[in-house]
Amino acid sequence: GAGVSQSPRYKVAKRGQDVALRCDPISGHVSLFWYQQALGQGPEFLTYFQNEAQLDKSGLPSDRFFAERPEGSVSTLKIQRTQQEDSAVYLCASSFVDYNEQFFGPGTRLTVL
Amino acid sequence: GESVGLHLPTLSVQEGDNSIINCAYSNSASDYFIWYKQESGKGPQFIIDIRSNMDKRQGQRVTVLLNKTVKHLSLQIAATQPGDSAVYFCAENIRSGGGADGLTFGKGTHLIIQP
Repeated sequence: GAGVSQSPRYKVAKRGQDVALRCDPISGHVSLFWYQQALGQGPEFLTYFQNEAQLDKSGLPSDRFFAERPEGSVSTLKIQRTQQEDSAVYLCASSFVDYNEQFFGPGTRLTVL
Repeated sequence: GESVGLHLPTLSVQEGDNSIINCAYSNSASDYFIWYKQESGKGPQFIIDIRSNMDKRQGQRVTVLLNKTVKHLSLQIAATQPGDSAVYFCAENIRSGGGADGLTFGKGTHLIIQP
């Protein structure tokens, strides 16, 4: 595709439900990043993949958050037992190589009731 | 939809005027800086970047200035247009031995272009 795509665009979950958010990076992009953006705040780094390897997960807020990129392209961010404080926009970004411009997707807005 | 600009510093500029958005970064080890523009309901969009071995870089209608001495970054937008209305974030990246780190974003500034 022409850019980074994310699905679903909006997700409403009841507290305690598990959710899975998908990111399709730009074809050929080696690096993939996940960010969390609370309302009125800047994005905050969650985790980083280089191909299928998760090289940095220092930003994941708890062990309820899990990300994978098994074939080095599509990535899924999973949140188990969602809590209200998980409500945010989850952004995915990809880049061709490390240290190059990161292209962001439109995000998935998660609302936990 | 909800605005990404809620609770952010706001800069209001007349259409056609120049605007300057400022950002203070915290880590003296940062060596790559980027400005992003974010419109409501969309992901951040790259505007311009600069590496720490430079102090100025120009693009189309935009200029980024970097002052490493005081850890300050600014974005100048010339001849502002209504489409420039958005939230602007500065971001920094620290080179690590194991590869790229994610970006660290600043708090953001909501730029409003008055007609």
